[in-house]
Amino acid sequence: IAGITQAPTSQILAAGRRMTLRCTQDMRHNAMYWYRQDLGLGLRLIHYSNTAGTTGKGEVPDGYSVSRANTDDFPLTLASAVPSQTSVYFCASSGDMGHEQFFGPGTRLTVL
Amino acid sequence: QQPVQSPQAVILREGEDAVINCSSSKALYSVHWYRQKHGEAPVFLMILLKGGEQKGHDKISASFNEKKQQSSLYLTASQLSYSGTYFCGTERGGSQGNLIFGKGTKLSVKP
Repeated sequence: IAGITQAPTSQILAAGRRMTLRCTQDMRHNAMYWYRQDLGLGLRLIHYSNTAGTTGKGEVPDGYSVSRANTDDFPLTLASAVPSQTSVYFCASSGDMGHEQFFGPGTRLTVL
Repeated sequence: QQPVQSPQAVILREGEDAVINCSSSKALYSVHWYRQKHGEAPVFLMILLKGGEQKGHDKISASFNEKKQQSSLYLTASQLSYSGTYFCGTERGGSQGNLIFGKGTKLSVKP
């Protein structure tokens, strides 16, 4: 692994299903983030983590949950997907909060 | 609270200059700039931390006027590789380093 990876690359999901987007970084960064990107709206922060074991809510947290059991992994879970969660999801990490962020390649999620 | 970027889009010929502005209605601690090419992830350009600070990155530079709560990104002698969408991310004091991104400025550089 080099940098930050996300899985899956894309997914089509039926409404009401549960889905976990995976994010892993190997840079030993303390901070990690989940953003969603919708056309014309830019990047919006869903959840973040300052360090392993802590998480916080961003601008648009409703319908999403995260966990940070260790430094490397920061999964994002949609408990019951809805069509409005159709988006491109980016995971990012930084050495610490407020530092340069490195983005993963993104996951394109479609909820039908 | 989302910063406002202007213009929304700009088309340039190679070698021309451009300025992208980012304004906030709230006091800012820092401004971050990222570029995203179509179908790719955003890539970091620079962070400006202090009022009046200016930074440069090749022929791309930026300024941050803390009092006016504004930042500007300057692209000089644009190259085809500069094409993409530019986002500013603003950080307020007490936000724990979280960024609020603008909607982006789409820059197209033509030969």
